[in-house]
Amino acid sequence: GENVEQHPSTLSVQEGDSAVIKCTYSDSASNYFPWYKQELGKGPQLIIDIRSNVGEKKDQRIAVTLNKTAKHFSLHITETQPEDSAVYFCAASQGNTPLVFGKGTRLSVIA
Amino acid sequence: GAVVSQHPSRVICKSGTSVKIECRSLDFQATTMFWYRQFPKKSLMLMATSNEGSKATYEQGVEKDKFLINHASLTLSTLTVTSAHPEDSSFYICSARDQEAEAFFGQGTRLTVV
Repeated sequence: GENVEQHPSTLSVQEGDSAVIKCTYSDSASNYFPWYKQELGKGPQLIIDIRSNVGEKKDQRIAVTLNKTAKHFSLHITETQPEDSAVYFCAASQGNTPLVFGKGTRLSVIA
Repeated sequence: GAVVSQHPSRVICKSGTSVKIECRSLDFQATTMFWYRQFPKKSLMLMATSNEGSKATYEQGVEKDKFLINHASLTLSTLTVTSAHPEDSSFYICSARDQEAEAFFGQGTRLTVV
């Protein structure tokens, strides 16, 4: 089955700097790669996703890149703000199969 | 994005009692919903896949008689924790995928068994 590795587990950045979180997946059949932001005591919130027919997608300060050959995808947050502090999860799936999650990255943005 | 509503957000129950958690897709129909459990500072662990009109598919190690799942309609799935024990205390989260296969999560339910 699918296995998703996520790095780093913790990340601290200064406000205004960029943050990058990387994930690798094992199943070449996976074609859907979402990213979630989870704040304490809340459910994960979908922030951006990418499908296997696209190499990059951007939404304001957030971007995701996908390298199908290397089977890795990354989340990029630019101009970080304190409210970006949260736990971020990457995931992978094929079609409507259950998402397989990475272990999460705790991002701290220091003002 | 689509909205998934989960209720209750927090529940405290006594050992031996049962607790029902509801998950609703508010603006789309979901033939499949997913139930996850999350331990503190850990990732989401898939418990089961809830299929509308049929039996749920449980992950290995998840007791189907303890975690009863019912998906009676295209917008509602319920998880009932039966004969709850303190070790069942956890954060339970449901998810539903819309027509474009995007997965949205409920707010989560913090279950405390005393």
